[in-house]
Amino acid sequence: QVLLQESGPGLVKPSQTLSLTCTVSGGSITSDNYYWNWIRQPAGKGLEWIGRIYTSGSTNYNPSLDSRVSISVNTSKNQFSLKLSSVTAADTAVYYCARRKVGATTYFDYWGQGTLVTVSS
Amino acid sequence: EIVVTQSPATLSVSPGERATLSCRASQSVSSNLAWYQQKPGQAPRLLIYGASARATGIPARFSGSGSGTEFTLTISSLQSEDFAVYSCQQYNSWPYTFGQGTKLEIK
Repeated sequence: QVLLQESGPGLVKPSQTLSLTCTVSGGSITSDNYYWNWIRQPAGKGLEWIGRIYTSGSTNYNPSLDSRVSISVNTSKNQFSLKLSSVTAADTAVYYCARRKVGATTYFDYWGQGTLVTVSS
Repeated sequence: EIVVTQSPATLSVSPGERATLSCRASQSVSSNLAWYQQKPGQAPRLLIYGASARATGIPARFSGSGSGTEFTLTISSLQSEDFAVYSCQQYNSWPYTFGQGTKLEIK
C-alpha cells in the first residue's frame, strides 16, 4: 500500500515562499513508472493541478503557476517538495501530493490526506 | 484549457436511494475521465477511471458512464459512508483539470 504524507508550515506570510514536502512510503520514488504531483484546493473550490516531477528530476508545471512554482525530488529520503513563491491570500488552500502513472493519459491513483496552508500576515 | 463542470453543486439523497452525479467537459476528453471521493481530513480516493472502470477495492454500487463531453457517476444504493464530495477530472489534455465538485448529503 502506497502512502503519501504532506508536511510543512501551515501559515505563510504574503510575498513569502510556501514550502511543502511529500514523503512517500510503501513504494520507491525512483520507480520509472510514476510521476509525483502537487494539487491544491481552495476552500469551496475545485482541485487545481500545480505540477509534477519524475524521478529523473524533469518537471512540468501548470502554466497558470509556472513562473512561481518549483518542484524537486530527494530520492535518498523518498520525498519530493514544492516551493511556491510570492504567495498571496489566493494561494490559501489544502495542498495534496499525489501519484500518477507515466503516460499521456493517466489519472491520480494515490493521494496524501492534504495539508492546509494559510497565507496571512 | 478544458473546463470541467459538475452538477448539481449539492445533491440531497436518502440512504438506500440512487444518486446520479453529472460531469461535463468543454471539449471532448474521449474516455479519459476519473472520479474521486473526498472526505474531510482524508486522502481523496480514486473511484473510477477511463470513465467507467472501477478502481481496485471500489464497491460495485459505484458505476461510471459516458464519453466525449458528458459523464455520469451513479451510486446505486447509498450507504452512510458514501456521503462525501465527488470530483471528476479529465486527463485527456494538459493541463489536467477538475470539476468544482458535487457534495452528496443526507436527505
